Amino acid sequence: GQQVMQIPQYQHVQEGEDFTTYCNSSTTLSNIQWYKQRPGGHPVFLIQLVKSGEVKKQKRLTFQFGEAKKNSSLHITATQTTDVGTYFCAGQDGGSQGNLIFGKGTKLSVKP
Amino acid sequence: DTGVSQDPRHKITKRGQNVTFRCDPISEHNRLYWYRQTLGQGPEFLTYFQNEAQLEKSRLLSDRFSAERPKGSFSTLEIQRTEQGDSAMYLCASSFPGGQPQHFGDGTRLSIL
Repeated sequence: GQQVMQIPQYQHVQEGEDFTTYCNSSTTLSNIQWYKQRPGGHPVFLIQLVKSGEVKKQKRLTFQFGEAKKNSSLHITATQTTDVGTYFCAGQDGGSQGNLIFGKGTKLSVKP
Repeated sequence: DTGVSQDPRHKITKRGQNVTFRCDPISEHNRLYWYRQTLGQGPEFLTYFQNEAQLEKSRLLSDRFSAERPKGSFSTLEIQRTEQGDSAMYLCASSFPGGQPQHFGDGTRLSIL
């Protein structure tokens, strides 16, 4: 079945450093979504990418969808302590009709 | 709009007991999803509904798991004859159809003694 792999599993950075997490799917995706889960919280939707090669920005966050629609990345510029949490990518293939397959997430810690 | 609500927040039960969790989605959303999340893992898809129709249930973990959404509004997830391995956070989410962003509830944390 469809699998979504995400690396790294953990990332520790100094405040102000950049951070990137990468996501790879075993199958071509119709779209990919990114979620953030704070410690003790629930996943919160960040963004959805649909088009091949799409790049979207949200302030310090940059999201990319690969040309083959099988990989994606999230880059945070100049991390802040408020960025702490686990970032999940979640892929949806064309045949699934709705269910998302989540990666294992990248847990980001930021040292002030 | 109060978001997705789940009840109870925590459930502690003995092995072998049956448990039922409730999810109230965002009222405008006709899709409702159930996930399981264990420590250090991403949410694992279990099943989803569009209105009252259960469109995908092949990923339910065993025949001890079942879900209903009888009137197309709230949903329940039941686990029969609970086992130690069922201990996890059970998350509910809702959305508009067509691959739209999902809005998650706070989850029900299940602990099996």
